[in-house]
Amino acid sequence: SQELEQSPQSLIVQEGKNLTINCTSSKTLYGLYWYKQKYGEGLIFLMMLQKGGEEKSHEKITAKLDEKKQQSSLHITASQPSHAGIYLCGADIGSGGGADGLTFGKGTHLIIQP
Amino acid sequence: GAVVSQHPSRVICKSGTSVKIECRSLDFQATTMFWYRQFPKKSLMLMATSNEGSKATYEQGVEKDKFLINHASLTLSTLTVTSAHPEDSSFYICSARVGQGIPLSYEQYFGPGTRLTVT
Repeated sequence: SQELEQSPQSLIVQEGKNLTINCTSSKTLYGLYWYKQKYGEGLIFLMMLQKGGEEKSHEKITAKLDEKKQQSSLHITASQPSHAGIYLCGADIGSGGGADGLTFGKGTHLIIQP
Repeated sequence: GAVVSQHPSRVICKSGTSVKIECRSLDFQATTMFWYRQFPKKSLMLMATSNEGSKATYEQGVEKDKFLINHASLTLSTLTVTSAHPEDSSFYICSARVGQGIPLSYEQYFGPGTRLTVT
């Protein structure tokens, strides 16, 4: 079974609208990473969250990790065509404290409609 | 920021041959690198942890003799797919781990990936 669930799998949003992508695990997440990927290309690091309740922002993208460290959300405000792509959450769900290889969700395919 | 490169970006090889993929950290040293494999419409799957100066640690289900990993230096890890078969065709991505800060936290920076096609 997938240990890191991402939702939705795909998302079509009109340009200028806000959107949220969720990443959920039944296990404690040590080091939650958000990446953006264009199909067939490498991953672009967006943000990394470690502490329960932590929130980080970069430009119009905000990511949060809940207090229990089992769920994270990625929020994009006033979406733009440049935001289109595949968003992946990855986490260390072992006991490595963020030092081990990551387990990834299946990704969310975001399409921005003009 | 930290940059990780991979070479080649694309490779096509015949069944039965071996292919080597390089992963380099360009502006930092990485004692630990990771190799992932991505299947179409599926998430990245961790294959192995590559440690400089020691043997790689493989995830369950990954054949050690099939996917040879060598972490020759603090900036280079290689993945060799031996006796490749069509089912090995995939997108392979490496990452390099960087520890920083107090308390220590880790970030992973990913390479651009290598598309392997075995005919």
